[in-house]
Amino acid sequence: GQNIDQPTEMTATEGAIVQINCTYQTSGFNGLFWYQQHAGEAPTFLSYNVLDGLEEKGRFSSFLSRSKGYSYLLLKELQMKDSASYLCAVRDSNYQLIWGAGTKLIIKP
Amino acid sequence: IAGITQAPTSQILAAGRRMTLRCTQDMRHNAMYWYRQDLGLGLRLIHYSNTAGTTGKGEVPDGYSVSRANTDDFPLTLASAVPSQTSVYFCASSAASVNEQFFGPGTRLTVL
Repeated sequence: GQNIDQPTEMTATEGAIVQINCTYQTSGFNGLFWYQQHAGEAPTFLSYNVLDGLEEKGRFSSFLSRSKGYSYLLLKELQMKDSASYLCAVRDSNYQLIWGAGTKLIIKP
Repeated sequence: IAGITQAPTSQILAAGRRMTLRCTQDMRHNAMYWYRQDLGLGLRLIHYSNTAGTTGKGEVPDGYSVSRANTDDFPLTLASAVPSQTSVYFCASSAASVNEQFFGPGTRLTVL
């Protein structure tokens, strides 16, 4: 079967750094996506990795290791508005997205 | 309109009733998708369409049907609603199946 694993919830402090991990087992791999979803809202696209390594975009970075079936999303200089759920999704051999259940990130002052 | 719109925003429905959720995008995206999101579970694909005139089944298609008569619209129909279809439904689109997906605001559906 196909499986995406993420921690259910994480807590971090405003101004700090947090790393959200995602491990996957899917039938084929054609890229990994990270989305942000604020409570009661739609998911919005954050990042995309298809090759191994780190992709940096402002305060957010995403890392991929295809051999380990592993990715992480790194958020720096945390702000209160970063409180949200972060969804990891893998595009499989049929080019469909398989989604993790999401990690709820709580930012404390 | 800009992006993707969904209607209604929320709906309470009696079991056994027929219901159509509407989705319209103005980005001229080829691919469109319907997901349901339930607490503790990831988004699950119901149906998709890679281009106007074609549709395909996702992970959880039973009890749902779709049509794609044109590029902009992708309605989802529940022929006879059941309580297990209580969920938040998101429509999404992408330029092609290889691109990132953009989501509509969602429809919160309760089936009693």
